[in-house]
Amino acid sequence: AAGVIQSPRHLIKEKRETATLKCYPIPRHDTVYWYQQGPGQDPQFLISFYEKMQSDKGSIPDRFSAQQFSDYHSELNMSSLELGDSALYFCASSLEGGTIEAFFGQGTRLTVV
Amino acid sequence: GENVEQHPSTLSVQEGDSAVIKCTYSDSASNYFPWYKQELGKGPQLIIDIRSNVGEKKDQRIAVTLNKTAKHFSLHITETQPEDSAVYFCAASTSMYSGGGADGLTFGKGTHLIIQP
Repeated sequence: AAGVIQSPRHLIKEKRETATLKCYPIPRHDTVYWYQQGPGQDPQFLISFYEKMQSDKGSIPDRFSAQQFSDYHSELNMSSLELGDSALYFCASSLEGGTIEAFFGQGTRLTVV
Repeated sequence: GENVEQHPSTLSVQEGDSAVIKCTYSDSASNYFPWYKQELGKGPQLIIDIRSNVGEKKDQRIAVTLNKTAKHFSLHITETQPEDSAVYFCAASTSMYSGGGADGLTFGKGTHLIIQP
């Protein structure tokens, strides 16, 4: 079965640079969530989108922005990167019009040096 | 906001024995409680979930129970196998029903389950 696809899988950036992470949800899923997971920590909710509109907002820094496009894929844009932004970034998708189970992708490992 | 506490942080059991992980939540509006299994370097994998209108749910060797009055829920794994070794996260959200809004999940801190051969 098709899963959530995230790209890139690994990304190395320098401080103050920008990064863009991409997420392709499971086919027919219309809802996307972004989470940040630091080493040894639990995933922290950043932001979610339903039908291309922002639905819920968590602990997303002002330096980060995200959007969902007409084909339901989503991008997380991160600017003025800091060392503390180094983490695993997960995207999850669900079908809001049906059940609400959220399925996670394999993540993007961002390293800021 | 919601606060989810999870215990224990590490659990070591003999292969074939049962494992129980417990979570409590603070927000009485939470109505959806999934459990995720995360292996090293991989994304969280949904293994079972329960909604607040149900007290118990079972899927083969895995079961989850929910006590809404006490605001706690538990994961039970029977006949544990080496491949059950992983980090398990409980979570809570207020989005039990479709159309209820794409609320984010609040996770517990995780339990490192170790299955001893």
